[in-house]
Amino acid sequence: SAVISQKPSRDICQRGTSLTIQCQVDSQVTMMFWYRQQPGQSLTLIATANQGSEATYESGFVIDKFPISRPNLTFSTLTVSNMSPEDSSIYLCSVGGVSGREDTQYFGPGTRLTVL
Amino acid sequence: AQSVTQLGSHVSVSEGALVLLRCNYSSSVPPYLFWYVQYPNQGLQLLLKYTSAATLVKGINGFEAEFKKSETSFHLTKPSAHMSDAAEYFCAVSRRGGGYNKLIFGAGTRLAVHP
Repeated sequence: SAVISQKPSRDICQRGTSLTIQCQVDSQVTMMFWYRQQPGQSLTLIATANQGSEATYESGFVIDKFPISRPNLTFSTLTVSNMSPEDSSIYLCSVGGVSGREDTQYFGPGTRLTVL
Repeated sequence: AQSVTQLGSHVSVSEGALVLLRCNYSSSVPPYLFWYVQYPNQGLQLLLKYTSAATLVKGINGFEAEFKKSETSFHLTKPSAHMSDAAEYFCAVSRRGGGYNKLIFGAGTRLAVHP
C-alpha cells in the first residue's frame, strides 16, 4: 500500500471563502483521485487529478467550484471555492497504481470540512 | 453500467457472533470487487479485494468474502465479532482490466457490536 497524508485534517470555514486541501503520497503513483463524502452518505468521485494536465471531472462537478492541481506524481490539491454550508463534507484523496497495481485504490485520512 | 447494493444500512451483532454484511453488484463486464472499512473520524481502509480467479478472499482483521458470480454477490463475513469491528463498511466495484477504471461504492453498512 502507500502512506497518504492530507492537510488540513479538519477545518471550519465561513460562507463565501475558499479552502485548499493537500494530499501527499510517500511514493510515486499513477493515479490520484478526489472524493466527497457528505454527512451520512457514501463516497462520490469528484475528479481524477492528472499529472501535468487538467483534471477530469465527474458529472455534477465543475472546475470553477473544485479546481485541482497535480504538479507531480506524489502531490495534489483540491480547492473548494466560494463555499456554502452544502459543501460541508469529508473530502478524501485516493491513489491508484501503487506498485503498478492500477486495480486498487488506497485512501487518505480525509479532511472534515464544516462551512458556517 | 455498474452498481452496488448493500442490504442493510445498519447491522447489529453481539460480541463473538458471526458478522455477515451483504453486497450485491451489477456489472455487464467481469468486475473487480472491494470491501473498505471506515472507522469513526478516519479515512477508508482496504479490507480485501477480489481481482483474480480465487473466489474466496481473505482480508485483514479476520474478514473474508466470497465472490459468487451466479448470485452476483460479494458478502463480507467474520466468524466472531469484536468490539473493535464497529465501523462503517463499504462495498465497491470496478471494471476488470484495461488499466484504471472508476470505482463505484455502495451506500455503506454501519456495524454495531454490543457486549
